[in-house]
Amino acid sequence: DTAVSQTPKYLVTQMGNDKSIKCEQNLGHDTMYWYKQDSKKFLKIMFSYNNKELIINETVPNRFSPKSPDKAHLNLHINSLELGDSAVYFCASSDLGDTQYFGPGTRLTVL
Amino acid sequence: GNSVTQMEGPVTLSEEAFLTINCTYTATGYPSLFWYVQYPGEGLQLLLKATKADDKGSNKGFEATYRKETTSFHLEKGSVQVSDSAVYFCALTAQGAQKLVFGQGTRLTINP
Repeated sequence: DTAVSQTPKYLVTQMGNDKSIKCEQNLGHDTMYWYKQDSKKFLKIMFSYNNKELIINETVPNRFSPKSPDKAHLNLHINSLELGDSAVYFCASSDLGDTQYFGPGTRLTVL
Repeated sequence: GNSVTQMEGPVTLSEEAFLTINCTYTATGYPSLFWYVQYPGEGLQLLLKATKADDKGSNKGFEATYRKETTSFHLEKGSVQVSDSAVYFCALTAQGAQKLVFGQGTRLTINP
């Protein structure tokens, strides 16, 4: 009965590769988010989708492309991975304007 | 712009001690305020929230009161346990906005 789930939990890859992280929520929320947590634990929003439409894009490099096939899923694809992309990526969901609920995170390590 | 400032960590306390983690914010209008907790190796969990001035959020013995006059939302607990060891994040959503703006997090360690 997991509310917000992410796969994979850990992702280790080489520089220059392309990878995807998947997120699913079963809470019936209409808004989903991606946040990045850096090595100092600082959290910052990257993207938000409401009913499959992009509503927030926080000056993230265009190597990062979110895709929302339906309102229960929000995937994050990253092209040409760089060392600085190493972080923990969190997915979250909410009803618009309401409390956000987070997934368990995906720890990405770029070698 | 909107921002959240938390007290610098790490904070180390003995079991049953009183806890305060300070949080102040800058925002226009009337933001909603949150405390999230991240236990070791886990994701973020909502601990408590308050959506208007003078509201008190509470959960698991933790409390925080939304003080508009001092733009603060300090987290308190009367008697901490070892299991409270975690990183605590204060956050806000600005009025009419969707994104959470987080403080830098405060690492709390409780010793038996």
